[in-house]
Amino acid sequence: AQSVAQPEDQVNVAEGNPLTVKCTYSVSGNPYLFWYVQYPNRGLQFLLKYITGDNLVKGSYGFEAEFNKSQTSFHLKKPSALVSDSALYFCAVSARGDDKIIFGKGTRLHILP
Amino acid sequence: ETGVTQTPRHLVMGMTNKKSLKCEQHLGHNAMYWYKQSAKKPLELMFVYNFKEQTENNSVPSRFSPECPNSSHLFLHLHTLQPEDSALYLCASSLSRVRTGEAFFGQGTRLTVV
Repeated sequence: AQSVAQPEDQVNVAEGNPLTVKCTYSVSGNPYLFWYVQYPNRGLQFLLKYITGDNLVKGSYGFEAEFNKSQTSFHLKKPSALVSDSALYFCAVSARGDDKIIFGKGTRLHILP
Repeated sequence: ETGVTQTPRHLVMGMTNKKSLKCEQHLGHNAMYWYKQSAKKPLELMFVYNFKEQTENNSVPSRFSPECPNSSHLFLHLHTLQPEDSALYLCASSLSRVRTGEAFFGQGTRLTVV
């Protein structure tokens, strides 16, 4: 069965510093991996995805993520955090040919001014 | 605006009521999903429809009844709910079987069962 782990409930980062939000996954076969962001009282917004190809994926708002097959990880990163990046971030995984998209429990990111 | 519209945005219902949530997308997607998001649990996948056929029921109680009349519309019929069913219900759509596309989410319906 597919699963996603986000080990941190909350991450605090000072504005201007680099940020990392961690994600590890478990899936049979090759994965599709996604990051989403959720602002208060809103649905989820897509940030980026890994399907195949280059392990470093660039997405919206300056975010990027690195697929590491040996560590089964897909950590979200940004070189310089903004206060407006404060939100709830979800990692998600799907197995190829499967209808299901399984989400992690989410990590709340606080960017401190 | 993601192209996925959910109505109503907020709903308060008694335990004996019957109500329905609606989701609509005109993105040309073939797969549609219902997720439940509550304060103490991660996003829970409830149902998946692919080309109008239900392909996933994640052990959801029968008091939740989905309906997908076409690839653009998805409903969640609610009856005799419990207070613990209070949550944010999110609809999403994607290209079939996530082969090439990510899921697009609606803004959700905030459901309160009293």
